Amino acid sequence: LAKTTQPISMDSYEGQEVNITCSHNNIATNDYITWYQQFPSQGPRFIIQGYKTKVTNEVASLFIPADRKSSTLSLPRVSLSDTAVYYCLVYNQGGKLIFGQGTELSVKP
Amino acid sequence: GAGVSQSPSNKVTEKGKDVELRCDPISGHTALYWYRQSLGQGLEFLIYFQGNSAPDKSGLPSDRFSAERTGGSVSTLTIQRTQQEDSAVYLCASSLLTAIPGNTIYFGEGSWLTVV
Repeated sequence: LAKTTQPISMDSYEGQEVNITCSHNNIATNDYITWYQQFPSQGPRFIIQGYKTKVTNEVASLFIPADRKSSTLSLPRVSLSDTAVYYCLVYNQGGKLIFGQGTELSVKP
Repeated sequence: GAGVSQSPSNKVTEKGKDVELRCDPISGHTALYWYRQSLGQGLEFLIYFQGNSAPDKSGLPSDRFSAERTGGSVSTLTIQRTQQEDSAVYLCASSLLTAIPGNTIYFGEGSWLTVV
């Protein structure tokens, strides 16, 4: 399981684009990059997953450079309800999945 | 069921008592995970099951903690002789144990344990 590093916290304002970068220098060939979101008092939920280049869904975009040693979660035009903790995981199957501390995003009015 | 179901949702127990926490995974999910999250902290991995087997139990905090899974479905996390430091939310998750893509982990709402 590749070790990941991401900022502990970030602040933003409503309507701004937020980019959270995760470093995973020892990512393996078969690993995928997956991001989860956790609101207070709830379990984490899946946001987006990718292997290379760019993935976009209705919630976010995920940018992965060619060397795959990092990835950036992009949240367009955040709102107060996007205040949450965001976790970056790198893995290719189930097993001992370590979430780490995540990035605590605070969106202000 | 439609999602991962955990019970009880809240439990207050006296120090020294035993508690059992139950997890009902999504039907057909072969992998089941237990995590613990103390107030304001990140997720602490406890144990995972592939079917009824637990390949890695190293995350269990002490020998007071045990978990089992029967019939490839329901799992029980048991904490014996509870201590105040056991107070936390215990999160269960499940997934299809297949290679990516598709191995999304689905979490339950958690069991909030308070030891007084």
